[in-house]
Amino acid sequence: GDSVTQMEGPVTLSEEAFLTINCTYTATGYPSLFWYVQYPGEGLQLLLKATKADDKGSNKGFEATYRKETTSFHLEKGSVQVSDSAVYFCALSDLGAAGNKLTFGGGTRVLVKP
Amino acid sequence: GAGVSQTPSNKVTEKGKYVELRCDPISGHTALYWYRQSLGQGPEFLIYFQGTGAADDSGLPNDRFFAVRPEGSVSTLKIQRTERGDSAVYLCASSFLSGTSGGAQQFFGPGTRLTVL
Repeated sequence: GDSVTQMEGPVTLSEEAFLTINCTYTATGYPSLFWYVQYPGEGLQLLLKATKADDKGSNKGFEATYRKETTSFHLEKGSVQVSDSAVYFCALSDLGAAGNKLTFGGGTRVLVKP
Repeated sequence: GAGVSQTPSNKVTEKGKYVELRCDPISGHTALYWYRQSLGQGPEFLIYFQGTGAADDSGLPNDRFFAVRPEGSVSTLKIQRTERGDSAVYLCASSFLSGTSGGAQQFFGPGTRLTVL
């Protein structure tokens, strides 16, 4: 079945540092890939997505590129802020699966210190 | 406009009791999903509705779990004979499916935190 593996946290960074969160996946079909973010006390929000190979999703300074050859969708941000402290989830939705249900990784907690 | 809402936000119950969790999706969204998020883990799929029918209930852990969506809008997740292992945050999401688009965005509610004592 489908699965998503992402690096375990917590990841602790200083403000303005570079952030990378690794994510790899296995899927039977041709999935769409997502990063969701959960800020403290808030619900899950879509951060960015990519629906086909070599697509780059971007939002709020975050980027991730759909790499079919390495089955990866690593999240990057060049200069993090304290407000980026959150839990980040990589997820996939397998095209053709009934209802496009999401399969999530375990989440990576990121803490940015001033 | 209003997002996905879930009630109650917190539910504490005793082992063996019956609970109902409610989800109000975004108006006009035809697809509705339930997920369960245990502490420190990612959400896990439970069930998906397209309209009134459960199109995929493969994620329900056992027959103590059941969900309905009688009018194609509000959905209720029902758990019978609750066990301590059912303690988790139950998330609801909705989306407007267009054909077989794999990129249709799901909008999540804030969740219901269920604690079984």
